Amino acid sequence: AQSVTQPDIHITVSEGASLELRCNYSYGATPYLFWYVQSPGQGLQLLLKYFSGDTLVQGIKGFEAEFKRSQSSFNLRKPSVHWSDAAEYFCAVGPLGEGNEKLTFGTGTRLTIIP
Amino acid sequence: EPEVTQTPSHQVTQMGQEVILRCVPISNHLYFYWYRQILGQKVEFLVSFYNNEISEKSEIFDDQFSVERPDGSNFTLKIRSTKLEDSAMYFCASSIRQGSGYTFGSGTRLTVV
Repeated sequence: AQSVTQPDIHITVSEGASLELRCNYSYGATPYLFWYVQSPGQGLQLLLKYFSGDTLVQGIKGFEAEFKRSQSSFNLRKPSVHWSDAAEYFCAVGPLGEGNEKLTFGTGTRLTIIP
Repeated sequence: EPEVTQTPSHQVTQMGQEVILRCVPISNHLYFYWYRQILGQKVEFLVSFYNNEISEKSEIFDDQFSVERPDGSNFTLKIRSTKLEDSAMYFCASSIRQGSGYTFGSGTRLTVV
């Protein structure tokens, strides 16, 4: 069964500092990997996704993520955070090559930005 | 940018009542999904729907739940007899094809009292 672990429940960073959110997955084959962001009271917005090819994926809002097969990780990074990045971030994994994408989400990491 | 629209944004219902949560997926999308998020917990898969039938459902999606695409544009989730534990944020999502990633709606917060 597929699973996702986000070991950090809450992270606080200063505005302008770099950010890395951790995600580890468990899946029998090469999965689809996603990062979503959820602002308070809002839906889930797709930041980026990995299917195959280049292991460094660029997303919206200046985010990037790197797929490391050997570590079963898909960590999200941003070189310089903005106050508007404060939100909940979810990593998700889905099956590759199947018609229906049942996503399994991690428990999320809440990001707080301090001035 | 195309959006997935969910209505209502918040619904309060009494235990035992039926509720219908409504979603309008993106018009050219083919795959439709419902997920839920109990407060403070992770987002959980409920059901996927393709070609007018359920493709996959989770163990959460028992006989009290049903989905329908009644008119080619709406996609509904019905809970026949709500329980307190059904209180959650329910997200609708759609995708155009496999591997494209979902577009989620902004959710309906269901409160069962």
